[in-house]
Amino acid sequence: EIVMTQSPATLSVSPGERATLSCRASQSVSSNLAWYQQKPGQAPRLLIYGASTRATGIPARFSGSGSGTEFTLTISSLQSEDFAVYYCQQYNNWPPWTFGQGTKLEIK
Amino acid sequence: QVQLQESGPGLVKPSETLSLTCTVSGGSISSYYWSWIRQPPGKGLEWIGYIYYSGSTNYNPSLKSRVTISVDTSKNQFSLKLSSVTAADTAVYYCARGHYDILTGGFGGFDYWGQGTLVTVSS
Repeated sequence: EIVMTQSPATLSVSPGERATLSCRASQSVSSNLAWYQQKPGQAPRLLIYGASTRATGIPARFSGSGSGTEFTLTISSLQSEDFAVYYCQQYNNWPPWTFGQGTKLEIK
Repeated sequence: QVQLQESGPGLVKPSETLSLTCTVSGGSISSYYWSWIRQPPGKGLEWIGYIYYSGSTNYNPSLKSRVTISVDTSKNQFSLKLSSVTAADTAVYYCARGHYDILTGGFGGFDYWGQGTLVTVSS
């Protein structure tokens, strides 16, 4: 099973600033990686798939990069609605598809 | 707009079987992979398994001995059964659709999710 490790666990950033979230895989997952945003009481929302392709309707301030074992989600200018928990998920080696433990993005 | 809705008991006794159904509306269940994913309170996400509309399945090895996922294309529904539950199976259970990545011709994350249903295992 591939273990996904996200860092940091909590990230404090001011609105308007850039946020950079990291995700590391225990072995290569090529570009088969997705990012999700989850707000309290809601289901996750797909942001990025294929490591760097934005899902339908996702604003351009969200971008994904990386391949192999190191991945980054960048939010270029944080809006109030962006404060949430973010998860990465690998789908290269399965079963099982596995998620990271999440990064909580909070207002500084 | 595709919508998914989970339904089933919110309380299950230990050792019994958890049963949930996901109803898909606004689109056909055909030609996609459909998954169950769970999230214990305050914790992260765990993929349980998927079913293709044709009926082929794949399960998380950690749950494989207790999980059955089935599909009813005539009703646009798919279902989850998890047997011999314990308190560790208490979680919000989500159903979700696998996104079809046109570039790779394969899976690309989960693009549509149900709202989730909390299932508590307790006597």
